[in-house]
Amino acid sequence: AQKVTQAQTEISVVEKEDVTLDCVYETRDTTYYLFWYKQPPSGELVFLIRRNSFDEQNEISGRYSWNFQKSTSSFNFTITASQVVDSAVYFCALSEAFGGSQGNLIFGKGTKLSVKP
Amino acid sequence: ETGVTQSPTHLIKTRGQQVTLRCSSQSGHNTVSWYQQALGQGPQFIFQYYREEENGRGNFPPRFSGLQFPNYSSELNVNALELDDSALYLCASSSPLGTSSYNEQFFGPGTRLTVL
Repeated sequence: AQKVTQAQTEISVVEKEDVTLDCVYETRDTTYYLFWYKQPPSGELVFLIRRNSFDEQNEISGRYSWNFQKSTSSFNFTITASQVVDSAVYFCALSEAFGGSQGNLIFGKGTKLSVKP
Repeated sequence: ETGVTQSPTHLIKTRGQQVTLRCSSQSGHNTVSWYQQALGQGPQFIFQYYREEENGRGNFPPRFSGLQFPNYSSELNVNALELDDSALYLCASSSPLGTSSYNEQFFGPGTRLTVL
């Protein structure tokens, strides 16, 4: 069965600190996609990144970076020099690439990040 | 903003009633998925519609049903509401199979349903 675990329920940091959000996944598929979404208090899920299982290159986008390691089934997300606007709940998600439920996302329980000024 | 819209924003119902939630997908997207997000939890997949047909279903009872229309907008219907149905209901649209952004789902703002 597919599963996503985000062990950190809540994290609180002071502005400008770096913070890493952990994500561990389980799947028997050899082809799959991993995602990170941000959910601000307004409730809308904001897409941050998608990686496929064949691409283990780390990615950097501004202050955001992602570390994908198949050997440990992890897809961690780091925010550098955090800002108050980064405060939100962050979800890691997994989807299979093929099958009857193409695009079905399996979410972790989320990590609530609070960035204090 | 993603271009995915949902209505209504908030809804209050009583146990046993029926409810219909609506979703308009982003332009060019022919697949719509529905998720239920209970308080403090991650979203859980309810079902997906592709070209007006149900294309996958999560672990939800038959009283959760849906429709997709020719313009790819969608409805989620829930019959015989229970207290545990109180949640944020999210709709997501995605691109057709074969496009470069396949599997990337864009979410609407959600409908918050309260069942009393």
